[in-house]
Amino acid sequence: QVQLQESGPGLVKPSQTLSLTCTVSGGSISSGSYYWSWIRQPAGKGLEWIGRIYTSGSTNYNPSLKSRVTISVDTSKNQFSLKLSSVTAADTAVYYCARVSGKYGSGNYYYYMDVWGKGTTVTVSS
Amino acid sequence: DIQMTQSPSSLSASVGDRVTITCRASQSISSYLNWYQQKPGKAPKLLIYAASSLQSGVPSRFSGSGSGTDFTLTISSLQPEDFATYYCQQSYSTLLFTFGPGTKVDIK
Repeated sequence: QVQLQESGPGLVKPSQTLSLTCTVSGGSISSGSYYWSWIRQPAGKGLEWIGRIYTSGSTNYNPSLKSRVTISVDTSKNQFSLKLSSVTAADTAVYYCARVSGKYGSGNYYYYMDVWGKGTTVTVSS
Repeated sequence: DIQMTQSPSSLSASVGDRVTITCRASQSISSYLNWYQQKPGKAPKLLIYAASSLQSGVPSRFSGSGSGTDFTLTISSLQPEDFATYYCQQSYSTLLFTFGPGTKVDIK
C-alpha cells in the first residue's frame, strides 16, 4: 500500500524559499501512470492545488503560483519535491503531497487524487 | 479558470439523516468531478471520482451524481464518523485542478 510523507522546515523567513520533500513508500514512484501533486491549505480555509509532476519530469503549475513554484522528482530516492520562492505570510499553510491516479470510463480518462500524505505545517515568519 | 461553488457552506444534521451537498462548475466539466472528505487535522480522503464512481473502501451510503455543471454528493444515512468537511474538485482542466470552497457537516 503506497504511503506518502511530507518533510521539510516548519518555519521559513519572508522572502526566502520554502522547500518540501514528499517520500513515497510501499511502491515505486516510477511504476504506473501516476502524476505526483502538491496541494496546500491555509488554516481554516479551503484547498489550493499547487501543481503536479510526472516521473518523466513534465510539470503543470497553478498559474497563480507559477512564477514562484518548482516541482521536481528524484526517482532514485522515490521522492518528489516542492520549492516556493519569495514567500510571504500568505504562503503559511498545511502543505500536502498526493498521488494523482486515473481511470478510463465512457471513453474518457478521469484523474483524481487517491493517496495523500498527512500534511506538514509551514509558517512564514521572521 | 474553472470556478467551483458548493452549497450550502455548512449544514447541521442528525445521525440517520439523508444529506445532500451540491457542487456547481462555472462551465461544463462533463463528469470530471471528484469528492473528498476532510476531518479536522487530517488529510482529505477521496470518496467519489468521475462524478459517480465510489472509491474502493468507501461505504455505500455515499453516492455522487450529475454531469455538465451540476453535481450532488448524497449521504443516505448520516453516521457519527461522517461529520466532516466535504470538497468537490474538477479534473476537466488537467492543467489546473480546482476545488470547491467546502461544505461543513456538523451535528444538529
